[in-house]
Order: sequence, then structure tokens, then C-alpha cells
Amino acid sequence: DTEVTQTPKHLVMGMTNKKSLKCEQHMGHRAMYWYKQKAKKPPELMFVYSYEKLSINESVPSRFSPECPNSSLLNLHLHALQPEDSALYLCASSQYEGTNTEAFFGQGTRLTVV
Amino acid sequence: DAKTTQPPSMDCAEGRAANLPCNHSTISGNEYVYWYRQIHSQGPQYIIHGLKNNETNEMASLIITEDRKSSTLILPHATLRDTAVYYCIVRAARRGSTLGRLYFGRGTQLTVWP
Repeated sequence: DTEVTQTPKHLVMGMTNKKSLKCEQHMGHRAMYWYKQKAKKPPELMFVYSYEKLSINESVPSRFSPECPNSSLLNLHLHALQPEDSALYLCASSQYEGTNTEAFFGQGTRLTVV
Repeated sequence: DAKTTQPPSMDCAEGRAANLPCNHSTISGNEYVYWYRQIHSQGPQYIIHGLKNNETNEMASLIITEDRKSSTLILPHATLRDTAVYYCIVRAARRGSTLGRLYFGRGTQLTVWP
């Protein structure tokens, strides 16, 4: 099983809503990532978790709050978003050992903030 | 902070080989070269990676120059389904950590025509 599953596939939310994106993998990977991708742009790294601990936060605004409840699950909690936060949010995972490991990506959640 | 340079677009006839170049002149000795592709509105898909030697798998071949400052991804018999954005990535390793981040550059839009 080399799948990273993201839910929901599409999400529309208002600026005052609170919502969560979910990502799951069962490959035993200990590193998990959140990326944001705007239209016609490359994916931008947001957060990295290693062994369920936040390892990297690429200066992401606090209205995005990641959570890693266990080694298979990664959430991204959203609150008070702005329309410019509308984007494709991608989750990925990889093994922890060294840089000689490929990352597997989910199909993304397309978020629209209205 | 992408460390690679790729042409923004390339065309290829179906059935012919597609050769996608990438410059990574500042690559460090322990950094790998990764290739991913992203078909429209889907998550990035891992293709291949390498350190020094040429690599081949069922999808593609990766040719890395001896000085490691550039590489070429070869799709031996391109099909219409290979139309995608192709990203060449140097896997950054943080000092003191085995965790490697994936930073995407702008990539090359490959269009395969009939």
C-alpha cells in the first residue's frame, strides 16, 4: 500500500468557519508533510512532522494549525482563513532515514475560502 | 529555496523520447536529485532519484553528469498521458538531521502531442 489518502477532496468554507483537513498513510513512514499549491505555481512546503513532532514550520500564519495525533495521521486545522488561502493542500509522507527516500503525495484537498 | 533550473516548457511527439534537462550547479555531495511530475490538479508523483550513477526504472531513466551539476530525465517512449509538469528537486538535508525537505522549483511543462 503506497497510498496517502486525503479527505475531503473539496472544501468550501467561510472566513469565520473552522474546518480540518485530514491525511492518512499506512506505510509506516515517520515523516509527514503539508504543502500548499496555488494555481499555476509549484507546491510550497508548510510543515514537516518527524516522529509525530513538529520539525519544520515554514513561517506559516497561525490560522493554519497542524496536528499529528499518531504516526499514521496528520491533520491541518483551519480557522479564520482569508480568500487568498484558497489553494490545493497536499499531504506527503516519507521514511525517516536519510534523504534517499521518496515522498508519496496524496491527491490533495482543493480549498475555497469565501 | 529551489536549487534547480529547468526550462519552463518542452514539446515532444508521441512515441519519441522526451529528454528533460535540469541544472543544479550548487548541489552538495550528499544531496540526491529527485524527479517528480504533476498531472493537472493531481498530487505530485515520484518518478526516480539518484546520487551519482545513472538510474533506470519502469518509468524513466536519470542521467547525472560526472560533476553532478546537471541531470537529464529521459522518458523513452512518451505517451499523451505523460503530459505534465516535471519537477527536478535537490533533496535538502538539514544539518544534524536525517530529514530531507522537498523544495519544488517551477518545473517544466511537458506537452506530448499526437
